[in-house]
Amino acid sequence: GIQVEQSPPDLILQEGANSTLRCNFSDSVNNLQWFHQNPWGQLINLFYIPSGTKQNGRLSATTVATERYSLLYISSSQTTDSGVYFCAVGTGTASKLTFGTGTRLQVTL
Amino acid sequence: NAGVTQTPKFQVLKTGQSMTLQCAQDMNHEYMSWYRQDPGMGLRLIHYSVGAGITDQGEVPNGYNVSRSTTEDFPLRLLSAAPSQTSVYFCASSYFGRGANTEAFFGQGTRLTVV
Repeated sequence: GIQVEQSPPDLILQEGANSTLRCNFSDSVNNLQWFHQNPWGQLINLFYIPSGTKQNGRLSATTVATERYSLLYISSSQTTDSGVYFCAVGTGTASKLTFGTGTRLQVTL
Repeated sequence: NAGVTQTPKFQVLKTGQSMTLQCAQDMNHEYMSWYRQDPGMGLRLIHYSVGAGITDQGEVPNGYNVSRSTTEDFPLRLLSAAPSQTSVYFCASSYFGRGANTEAFFGQGTRLTVV
């Protein structure tokens, strides 16, 4: 099956810093989503982005499907950005998602 | 519009007991699925359904049973709970297909402990 690798595994930032999270996948996809899992365990949809670029406030994402990677940018980080960020991809039946192991982000004051 | 609703939020079971985790969605999504999340790992697919009466196995189906009698509901049954099934369980729903918007939405999770 498809492999999904996320980097870095852990990231510590000071409030106000910017960061880039990466998701590499091993096969063509027709679904790619980024999620934020907050400290209470809730999965929050950030982006549905099988290709192209999207922006939502301080967050943006780019997926280059032909090169099999996606990037999540977080600008001017805040303590509420802490948690785990997951990339998940779907191949064939786009609804069937395979998750990476996540990037754990801690934002400190 | 509640989205995806899971009950219960927390559950403790004794080894060998059975139980059903409930999942309901109000978005008229064809596709529903169950995942488990173990510490330090991403989510892994247990079972999924592409519509009422149709279910299939995911990556880690052993010890779990599902059925789909309505579009809205997709319960997950643990037949004889084992400590290895201690995990957080997530239900998700989405439209089904290749070209259409297939963004998945997740419930808030059920934290299950088997002692």
